[in-house]
Amino acid sequence: SQQGEEDPQALSIQEGENATMNCSYKTSINNLQWYRQNSGRGLVHLILIRSNEREKHSGRLRVTLDTSKKSSSLLITASRAADTASYFCATDAAGSYQLTFGKGTKLSVIP
Amino acid sequence: NAGVTQTPKFQVLKTGQSMTLQCAQDMNHNSMYWYRQDPGMGLRLIYYSASEGTTDKGEVPNGYNVSRLNKREFSLRLESAAPSQTSVYFCAIPSGTSSYEQYFGPGTRLTVT
Repeated sequence: SQQGEEDPQALSIQEGENATMNCSYKTSINNLQWYRQNSGRGLVHLILIRSNEREKHSGRLRVTLDTSKKSSSLLITASRAADTASYFCATDAAGSYQLTFGKGTKLSVIP
Repeated sequence: NAGVTQTPKFQVLKTGQSMTLQCAQDMNHNSMYWYRQDPGMGLRLIYYSASEGTTDKGEVPNGYNVSRLNKREFSLRLESAAPSQTSVYFCAIPSGTSSYEQYFGPGTRLTVT
């Protein structure tokens, strides 16, 4: 079964606006990651946050993690048309390198 | 997607036919993974291999077999394809940065009619 559930399923914004997508998960995790998938392509790793971290930044990306609520958010600031893609969260449990993915958020950035 | 290659890129099968999806890596990683992605869904793990000669079931292994005969290659076989196996199949390996991060191949789009 899918561990993560992203919200919203789809998001459409204007170029330059910020995009926020959320991920909720069900069981305890070791790490949470976010991946991007352009249409028809493989997934590309964006950022990993450990369970003992609360916030992490990478360029225009900001990820937060709230383990008490079993949720994470991905913020993309100053979005660009090139950010148009589907975004997936993925979790792994302690002692395992296996990833469990959510269903994804489809982001459309309108020029 | 340099480092992980998948063949073929596209395949159409009839119900009951068999085929093998190939994955090869040139990054010398012990672990390799096979996922499937159905429309509007995230990836689900089919099988994984922690090292040459070992394989383990993931979330959705039914209808598939795998083979890891050497460190470089990890193949996924459909013995008798079913329409429910229509999907995009991705092979992955750990990235160079972290064993938890994964690096994905370009995928094989399979249609079973």
